Amino acid sequence: DAGVIQSPRHEVTEMGQEVTLRCKPISGHDYLFWYRQTMMRGLELLIYFNNNVPIDDSGMPEDRFSAKMPNASFSTLKIQPSEPRDSAVYFCASSGGGGNEQFFGPGTRLTVL
Amino acid sequence: RKEVEQDPGPFNVPEGATVAFNCTYSNSASQSFFWYRQDCRKEPKLLMSVYSSGNEDGRFTAQLNRASQYISLLIRDSKLSDSATYLCAVIGTDSWGKFQFGAGTQVVVTP
Repeated sequence: DAGVIQSPRHEVTEMGQEVTLRCKPISGHDYLFWYRQTMMRGLELLIYFNNNVPIDDSGMPEDRFSAKMPNASFSTLKIQPSEPRDSAVYFCASSGGGGNEQFFGPGTRLTVL
Repeated sequence: RKEVEQDPGPFNVPEGATVAFNCTYSNSASQSFFWYRQDCRKEPKLLMSVYSSGNEDGRFTAQLNRASQYISLLIRDSKLSDSATYLCAVIGTDSWGKFQFGAGTQVVVTP
């Protein structure tokens, strides 16, 4: 079975550019999470969805970040405009049920120059 | 105070030895607990869930202490391949679905 799929795996961009990260959760999972991981701050929850509806976006750092989930099999995280401090690994995870194990995708390593 | 705290380590462990470390949580309403393993430059992967009565999976034993609000992970007969960062994750009933992750404990098993 395919796990959580993320694209791109690596992204290098210049400050001010728009960045779009993509995620396909595991089929049948009703929860989708976006995390950011850095050495300094560890793994931070940015936003999560239940049945395609955003439930908690309190972790989104600022208005430059936005996330959508137009259907059960696709989600995007967009940063516009990007800044060097956004450089991190962004993980998408999904779970079947709120209290169940989360399965992580391989992550997108973002570098903003 | 962070909601979930871990000793960052590193815990340097000789091969074959036992290592144990804890994760403390601040929300007494927390209901579900997990240990994840993360290898360098990889995604976190579930190692084991933590049940109220404690549970064991091979060389790994997880315990929950609700009174003191911590979970623990013990690794027996450490292997070189156990070298990784171990993250604890906690869910509270007041934020169902929302995992709070610790910053991780690094374990380095040496020959």
